[in-house]
Amino acid sequence: GQQLNQSPQSMFIQEGEDVSMNCTSSSIFNTWLWYKQDPGEGPVLLIALYKAGELTSNGRLTAQFGITRKDSFLNISASIPSDVGIYFCAGPLNRDDKIIFGKGTRLHILP
Amino acid sequence: GAGVSQSPRYKVTKRGQDVALRCDPISGHVSLYWYRQALGQGPEFLTYFNYEAQQDKSGLPNDRFSAERPEGSISTLTIQRTEQRDSAMYRCASTPTGDTQYFGPGTRLTVL
Repeated sequence: GQQLNQSPQSMFIQEGEDVSMNCTSSSIFNTWLWYKQDPGEGPVLLIALYKAGELTSNGRLTAQFGITRKDSFLNISASIPSDVGIYFCAGPLNRDDKIIFGKGTRLHILP
Repeated sequence: GAGVSQSPRYKVTKRGQDVALRCDPISGHVSLYWYRQALGQGPEFLTYFNYEAQQDKSGLPNDRFSAERPEGSISTLTIQRTEQRDSAMYRCASTPTGDTQYFGPGTRLTVL
């Protein structure tokens, strides 16, 4: 079936560092969604991308929809402690199709 | 309410019992999704509805799982004859139109 592959699985960084993570698929996506999940909470949408090549920012977060429509990346600049959590990419293959999630990238910030 | 609500928040049951998990979406939201999430994993798609119509149930693991949304609002996910492997967090999400999902707090199911 369709799968979203996220890398890295985990990241350990120092506060203030920039972070980059990506999501790839063997299938074409028309929409890329990036979510963050805090412990004990449900995922919360961070950024939605709708067009190949689109680059969208939300504060310190920037995400891009890959030209091939098979990948996307999320960057976080100048990380802070509250950035800790699990970041998921997600998307539907087509309009009105089921939305599937990757397995997530776990971000840890070292004290 | 302002967000998606789910009940119960925690459910402990004995193997073989049936359970019903409820999702109350944001008022007016067209689509409603059910996911299952194991600890440390991403949400695993189960099924989704547009209004009252079940659009895709390909993620339901087997025929012990069923879902309904009879009036296009509240949805119930039912698991019959529960097994220990059914233990997980069950999450519901609703969307107005498009792809922006709003997730509920989840129901933590534990099957003993």
